[in-house]
Amino acid sequence: GAVVSQHPSWVICKSGTSVKIECRSLDFQATTMFWYRQFPKQSLMLMATSNEGSKATYEQGVEKDKFLINHASLTLSTLTVTSAHPEDSSFYICSAAKPSIPYEQYFGPGTRLTVT
Amino acid sequence: AQRVTQPEKLLSVFKGAPVELKCNYSYSGSPELFWYVQYSRQRLQLLLRHISRESIKGFTADLNKGETSFHLKKPFAQEEDSAMYYCALSGGGGSNYKLTFGKGTLLTVNP
Repeated sequence: GAVVSQHPSWVICKSGTSVKIECRSLDFQATTMFWYRQFPKQSLMLMATSNEGSKATYEQGVEKDKFLINHASLTLSTLTVTSAHPEDSSFYICSAAKPSIPYEQYFGPGTRLTVT
Repeated sequence: AQRVTQPEKLLSVFKGAPVELKCNYSYSGSPELFWYVQYSRQRLQLLLRHISRESIKGFTADLNKGETSFHLKKPFAQEEDSAMYYCALSGGGGSNYKLTFGKGTLLTVNP
């Protein structure tokens, strides 16, 4: 199998603070991970592509200084929401690309962020 | 730009009835199409992909390049099929390609 975990599963933080979300591929190495954001009853929107050992590639409209992504190892990517505001409250989902044929992304369970 | 359209937010059928979840896409090259499913309180998981041309849990989907569609079909729906279904597109390009998702269709199969 291919399992991707996220930690924490939910977090509440105060406005102005930063929060870090971890995404781990538990049984495979992933050179590429993706971060998505999902608003209630809406689809997943890709925020950025995280590549191990290099800078993340952000989608248009995503503030790279606000959503810091680090992919320091082949099994871990982190998303840090800096100076969080209530409008950052959302469901954040990561996926990890397994280098297999055919290629496939495996999704984490998501992290619910609530900024008060 | 790549875009995926799922025209139905909600779809409700009775058990044993046929079901078709519609998906249309816009992409200038040769895309790879996927259907993902999310059961209640579970993570997103791949249901099927067009290049595999296989049937998973009784579901099939055929890529129609002329109509730019990738509709998901099942001849006899089951209650356990109730879930959120997302159509997704990738432009290809090796291990770094990214997915564009449709807005999803919530399928409810009634007993």
